Amino acid sequence: AQSVTQPDIHITVSEGASLELRCNYSYGATPYLFWYVQSPGQGLQLLLKYFSGDTLVQGIKGFEAEFKRSQSSFNLRKPSVHWSDAAEYFCAVGAGGGADGLTFGKGTHLIIQP
Amino acid sequence: EPEVTQTPSHQVTQMGQEVILRCVPISNHLYFYWYRQILGQKVEFLVSFYNNEISEKSEIFDDQFSVERPDGSNFTLKIRSTKLEDSAMYFCASSWDRDDEQYFGPGTRLTVT
Repeated sequence: AQSVTQPDIHITVSEGASLELRCNYSYGATPYLFWYVQSPGQGLQLLLKYFSGDTLVQGIKGFEAEFKRSQSSFNLRKPSVHWSDAAEYFCAVGAGGGADGLTFGKGTHLIIQP
Repeated sequence: EPEVTQTPSHQVTQMGQEVILRCVPISNHLYFYWYRQILGQKVEFLVSFYNNEISEKSEIFDDQFSVERPDGSNFTLKIRSTKLEDSAMYFCASSWDRDDEQYFGPGTRLTVT
């Protein structure tokens, strides 16, 4: 069965600093990978997705993620965070044509220090 | 921009009662999903629905749960006899295609007392 691990429950970053949120997955074939963001009281918004092709994926709000098959990782990065980036971030894996449901990690809570 | 909506935002019910959570998916989407998130835990897939029938369901989705698309716009999740452990945030999602991005609603917080 597929699984997703987000090892960091909380991360605190100063405004303007760079950010990297870690995500490791377990899946037998090439997975479909996603990063979602959830602000308080809001639904889950897709930041970016990887299906195939270029392993460096650009998303919305200045985020990017890199798929590394050898490390089973799909880490999310942003070169300079803004106070509005404070939120909960979820990594998810989907099996694509084999299954419908996404498997989520537990999430990383991002705190931005002024 | 089109969005998925869910009502109510918060539902409080007593144990053993039936609840219906409502969702309006994005209008031209064909696949519909329910997920739940128990406080402090990960978001978990419950069920997917396509062409007026369940496409896939998880182990969580037992006989106490059912889904329905009663008309052309609504998608509902019914819990027949709620238990304390059903307390969670329930998210509805929809997508155009099975492998496409899933758009999530803001969630319904269900509290069972």
